[in-house]
Amino acid sequence: QVQLQESGPGLVKPSQTLSLTCSVSGGSIRSDSYYWSWIRQLPGKGLEWIVYMYHSGYTHYNPTLKSRVSTSVDTSKNQFSLKVTSVTAADTAMYYCARIDRGWFDPWGQGTLVIVSS
Amino acid sequence: QSALTQPASVSGSPGQSITISCTGTSSDVGGYNSVSWYQQHPGKAPKLMIFDVTKRPSGTSNRFSGSKSGNTASLTIAGLQAEDEADYHCSSYTSSSTYVFGTGTKVTVL
Repeated sequence: QVQLQESGPGLVKPSQTLSLTCSVSGGSIRSDSYYWSWIRQLPGKGLEWIVYMYHSGYTHYNPTLKSRVSTSVDTSKNQFSLKVTSVTAADTAMYYCARIDRGWFDPWGQGTLVIVSS
Repeated sequence: QSALTQPASVSGSPGQSITISCTGTSSDVGGYNSVSWYQQHPGKAPKLMIFDVTKRPSGTSNRFSGSKSGNTASLTIAGLQAEDEADYHCSSYTSSSTYVFGTGTKVTVL
C-alpha cells in the first residue's frame, strides 16, 4: 500500500525559503491515475490546500499562495517537492503531502511541522 | 478562494446521531460530486472517511454516511462512539480546477 513521508527543516527564518520533500513508497509517482498534493494546517485551524501536480510537471496552485509557491517532481527518486518563498510567521503550520485519487485525498503523510522564527 | 463553512463544534451522547454541515457555492460543493470528508484525531494526519459525496472507503464504518443538497454537503455519524471524537473536515473540487477545504468541526462525545 502506498505511503507518503514528508521531510525538511522544522525551522525556517523569516524571509527565507521553506523547502519540503514528500517521498512516496509502495507505488509509483509516475502513475497516470493520480495527482500529488501539498496541504497545510495552521495551528488550531482548518486545512488549506496549497498545490497539486502531475508526474509530467503539470501543476495547479491555490491562487492565494501562487506567487510564492513552486514545485518539482523527481520520478527517479519517487519524490515531489514544495518551496514557499519569503516566509513569515503566518506560514508556520503542519505541512502534509497527499495523493489525489479522482478527487479525494488519500493517503496522507504523517505531516511535518514547520516553524517560521528567527 | 473562500473556505467551505462548517460549524465549529458539534456534540452528542454515545449512541446518538449527529450531522455536520459543509456549505459552499455552486462553484464547488453545488457543482460537483467531488466532496470528501476527513477525520483527524489530535496529533494525527487526516483520514479519508467519505468520497464522492456518499461513498465509503473500505474500512470506514457504515455508521458514517454522506449526502448533499444544493450547495451544502453533510456528514452523519450514527450510533456515536467515544472513538468518533475528533475534528472533521470537508473538501470539494472547484470550477477553477482547485480544491477547497472546510473550516473544520470539532466533534465531542458527551
